[in-house]
Amino acid sequence: GESVGLHLPTLSVQEGDNSIINCAYSNSASDYFIWYKQESGKGPQFIIDIRSNMDKRQGQRVTVLLNKTVKHLSLQIAATQPGDSAVYFCAVNTGGFKTIFGAGTRLFVKA
Amino acid sequence: GAVVSQHPSWVICKSGTSVKIECRSLDFQATTMFWYRQFPKQSLMLMATSNEGSKATYEQGVEKDKFLINHASLTLSTLTVTSAHPEDSSFYICSVPGQSSYNEQFFGPGTRLTVL
Repeated sequence: GESVGLHLPTLSVQEGDNSIINCAYSNSASDYFIWYKQESGKGPQFIIDIRSNMDKRQGQRVTVLLNKTVKHLSLQIAATQPGDSAVYFCAVNTGGFKTIFGAGTRLFVKA
Repeated sequence: GAVVSQHPSWVICKSGTSVKIECRSLDFQATTMFWYRQFPKQSLMLMATSNEGSKATYEQGVEKDKFLINHASLTLSTLTVTSAHPEDSSFYICSVPGQSSYNEQFFGPGTRLTVL
């Protein structure tokens, strides 16, 4: 099976700094990885994804890095803003649409 | 991406009653929908896969007789929590798979259930 963990339950950063949220997974056959943002009382919101044939993908202010050798992925948020405060989940697709979510990291942005 | 709605957004009920939660795909037809449960400060746990026109597929440990799922149309799936108890209090979220080859999911806004 697949298990997904996050390295830190909370992360506090200063507004304007870069944020890095890490995630580890266990199944080397996993081939699709997604980062979601969840604000309080709302459903998860898609941020960025990456397939196993890539090691880096960039979006607007966000970058996902995938290291298949150590089964690790990270989410980098550039110039973190107060609106980025939320819980961030990494998720791993294990085939079909079944998705396993990590525990979540709560990001606090200090003004 | 898909637009997914849920109703109600929150509900409070007495122990022993049943509660129905609706999940709607507003802009395209979905033969499959997913139901998740999220306890406070925890991650999302997949409960079941809702299949239009056939029985839902439940994850291990989820009681199918307690969490009734009906996917009666291509735009609507319902989750009924039967004989709810306080331990069923949770945030219930549905999702709809996208139509690309990337297996992305689009989530509803969630329903907060509180059982007194």
